[in-house]
Amino acid sequence: ILNVEQSPQSLHVQEGDSTNFTCSFPSSNFYALHWYRWETAKSPEALFVMTLNGDEKKKGRISATLNTKEGYSYLYIKGSQPEDSATYLCAFMANQGGKLIFGQGTELSVKP
Amino acid sequence: ETGVTQTPRHLVMGMTNKKSLKCEQHLGHNAMYWYKQSAKKPLELMFVYSLEERVENNSVPSRFSPECPNSSHLFLHLHTLQPEDSALYLCASSQETGRNYGYTFGSGTRLTVV
Repeated sequence: ILNVEQSPQSLHVQEGDSTNFTCSFPSSNFYALHWYRWETAKSPEALFVMTLNGDEKKKGRISATLNTKEGYSYLYIKGSQPEDSATYLCAFMANQGGKLIFGQGTELSVKP
Repeated sequence: ETGVTQTPRHLVMGMTNKKSLKCEQHLGHNAMYWYKQSAKKPLELMFVYSLEERVENNSVPSRFSPECPNSSHLFLHLHTLQPEDSALYLCASSQETGRNYGYTFGSGTRLTVV
C-alpha cells in the first residue's frame, strides 16, 4: 500500500512569516511528486511537478525541494500573505503510468 | 475557471434516485479522472480514462458508473447510493496518463445522499 504523509496537518502563521511543510512518500519506484494549492470553494491548482532527485522549483514566493532517496519533499512559502491561506496537497506517482496518490494535505492559515 | 467544468456544483439525492455528474474540458487533454474526497480523508482515485478508454477502476462499487463518450466529456452515473457516499467528487484532466504532467481540476460536485 502506497502511503503519502503530510505534516503538519494544519498551520497558523502571521502575515510576513516564512513557513514550510513536509511531504513523505515511499522512496522506491519513484516517478513524480506533485504539489497542489487548494483554496476554499475553488479547484486544486497545480504548483509543481517534480521528477529528479535534488530538484528545486520556484513560483514567486513558493518553492519546493525533492529528495527521492529518502522519500520527502519540502514546500516553502517566504513572507506568507493572507492570500496564501489554502490547503497544500502533495501527490506521489510510483512509476510511469501509475496512479497519483494524494496526501491528506496541510491546511495553512495566514493572519493579517 | 480552470478549464475543467463540473456540473452540478451541489446535488442532494435520495438513496433510490438516479443522477449523473458531468465533467467537461476543452484543454485538449487525453486523460480524465474522477476523484472522491470524503471528510478528513485524502483525495481518493475512482476512475481513469485515457483517450476515452477506461484504464483504471480503483475497486469502486458498481453503484458508480463512469462514461467517457469523447475525450472532452466525462460522466459519473449514480444509482442506489448510500449516505456514506456523500462527499465531494472532483474531476481532473491531464495531457496524458502516468506522465509528469500536472492535473487540472474542476471545482467539484458536493453530493449529499439522504
